[in-house]
Amino acid sequence: AQSVTQLGSHVSVSEGALVLLRCNYSSSVPPYLFWYVQYPNQGLQLLLKYTSAATLVKGINGFEAEFKKSETSFHLTKPSAHMSDAAEYFCAVSDRPSNTGKLIFGQGTTLQVKP
Amino acid sequence: DTAVSQTPKYLVTQMGNDKSIKCEQNLGHDTMYWYKQDSKKFLKIMFSYNNKELIINETVPNRFSPKSPDKAHLNLHINSLELGDSAVYFCASSSQPGTSGVEQFFGPGTRLTVL
Repeated sequence: AQSVTQLGSHVSVSEGALVLLRCNYSSSVPPYLFWYVQYPNQGLQLLLKYTSAATLVKGINGFEAEFKKSETSFHLTKPSAHMSDAAEYFCAVSDRPSNTGKLIFGQGTTLQVKP
Repeated sequence: DTAVSQTPKYLVTQMGNDKSIKCEQNLGHDTMYWYKQDSKKFLKIMFSYNNKELIINETVPNRFSPKSPDKAHLNLHINSLELGDSAVYFCASSSQPGTSGVEQFFGPGTRLTVL
């Protein structure tokens, strides 16, 4: 069965610093992977997704993620944090064998951006 | 126009009551989902409907019953509410799931508090 693990439930960076949010996956088939962001009191919004095309995926708001099969990782990065990036970030894997569209989420990482 | 809308946004009720949460999407999608986000922000799928047909039912208590009158609506009815049902419930929709790793669009959430 597919699963994802997000390392670090809370990450704090200074404004302008590099953002690195870690996600490792487990999947019996080539995975489809997603990063979603949840701003306070809002629903989830897709940042980017990997669906077996280019391994470096660019998303919205300057975020990108690199799929590394050898490390079973899909870490999210942004070169320079903005205050507006403070939110909850979720990594997710699609339950591909069933093709039902079911998403399996990681535990989430809270990103704090300090001025 | 809001793509995925939910009503109500907040719901406070007593144990033992029956309540419903409504969800509507205007994206023309075929598939809709209900997720539960607990107090630790962990997200888990509950149900999914594709063209009004139930395709995912994730070992949710029978007190929870989804209803899809048409493919633009997926309502969640909860009988005999319990304290443990307190959570944020998210509705989401996507185009036909399959092998393309489609994006799910989330509603703003309904915060249910059972007293």
